[in-house]
Amino acid sequence: DIQMTQSPSTLSASVGDRVTITCRASQSISSWLAWYQQKPGKAPKLLIYKASSLESGVPSRFSGSGSGTEFTLTISSLQPDDFATYYCQQYNSYSLTFGGGTKVEIK
Amino acid sequence: EVQLVQSGAEVKKPGESLRISCKGSGYSFTSYWISWVRQMPGKGLEWMGRIDPSDSYTNYSPSFQGHVTISADKSISTAYLQWSSLKASDTAMYYCARVSEVTPGDIWGQGTMVTVSS
Repeated sequence: DIQMTQSPSTLSASVGDRVTITCRASQSISSWLAWYQQKPGKAPKLLIYKASSLESGVPSRFSGSGSGTEFTLTISSLQPDDFATYYCQQYNSYSLTFGGGTKVEIK
Repeated sequence: EVQLVQSGAEVKKPGESLRISCKGSGYSFTSYWISWVRQMPGKGLEWMGRIDPSDSYTNYSPSFQGHVTISADKSISTAYLQWSSLKASDTAMYYCARVSEVTPGDIWGQGTMVTVSS
């Protein structure tokens, strides 16, 4: 399996901050990476696919970049609704895998 | 509206069997794969496997191969996840997700909580 390592595991930030989350793959996955947001008690919500494509309806403050083995999710100006846990997922290989998650908390 | 609707919460005893379901609507069910994802209490997401409803071809994560079975009935637009003998460690929320050509999960079900306890 391809291993996905997210960092940090927890992030404390304030409304208006620029936030960056990193996801590293154990081998190249080209651009086959998705980002999700999950709030407590809810299903994950797709934010970004193919590393940098914004899912329809997702605010433009969310952006993704990277290719190969290193990827980032950036929230340009953190809003109250953005406090949640974020996961990356690779879908390059036959067996898909998620990162461990990054919890974005209120500072 | 495109949606996946999952079956309700289950409480089972160790050793019992179980099948949970995920019904698609608002789109051509056979045009998209369905994935299953586990989330143990307080933990992260784990991809379990997926199925092509058009021909029931499946592939599983090595971590789940042999422990669960994924199936589908395209005549009723429903995918299934089943266990033949549950363990306490199967206690988790289970999600289904629609897999498109470019995304591994653009539409998600609401989740099914499975509790296994003696």
